[in-house]
Amino acid sequence: DAGVTQSPTHLIKTRGQQVTLRCSPKSGHDTVSWYQQALGQGPQFIFQYYEEEERQRGNFPDRFSGHQFPNYSSELNVNALLLGDSALYLCASGVGGPGELFFGEGSRLTVL
Amino acid sequence: QQQVKQSPQSLIVQKGGISIINCAYENTAFDYFPWYQQFPGKGPALLIAIRPDVSEKKEGRFTISFNKSAKQFSLHIMDSQPGDSATYFCAASFLNTGNQFYFGTGTSLTVIP
Repeated sequence: DAGVTQSPTHLIKTRGQQVTLRCSPKSGHDTVSWYQQALGQGPQFIFQYYEEEERQRGNFPDRFSGHQFPNYSSELNVNALLLGDSALYLCASGVGGPGELFFGEGSRLTVL
Repeated sequence: QQQVKQSPQSLIVQKGGISIINCAYENTAFDYFPWYQQFPGKGPALLIAIRPDVSEKKEGRFTISFNKSAKQFSLHIMDSQPGDSATYFCAASFLNTGNQFYFGTGTSLTVIP
């Protein structure tokens, strides 16, 4: 049983560029949440998708957007990249909203 | 405002010793308190979680102690092993509103053989 899978694992972008990160939830899960983890910090909630709609959003600017597809997979898009966007981006999946979260191994984004 | 405060930032324990990590939270409406373990290059993995209606939960060598009146909870790792060396995060959530977890800043645990 595959867990939460994320791609790419590492990527390097320059300031002002745009990036798309992808996530496939654990089998049987229908909710996907995205978190940003800066070096040496705890994960910070970006947003959550359920039934293809953004259900909750953390304190992140509109440059951060997302999408959930009918197969429950999800994308995180970040526009106009800033140096401060360099972080590990974690996708987490769950069932029907609240409860236990299962995390992927993350996508390490470096902005130069 | 940091919703969940975690201490210590780092911890070194001898093999066989007890590791204790503490967290304090602000919002009394939180009703789910998980602990996550993260190894370098990996995503966080759920270790153990507790609801505020109990004061203690034990799973193997891992125990959560919960003090509702003090708005504090802690993770105890008994008989600590070198394989327990990792970063530990406490978190808090509202079970009825979704998956927005508020994480602490993490504790880097090193268990010396």
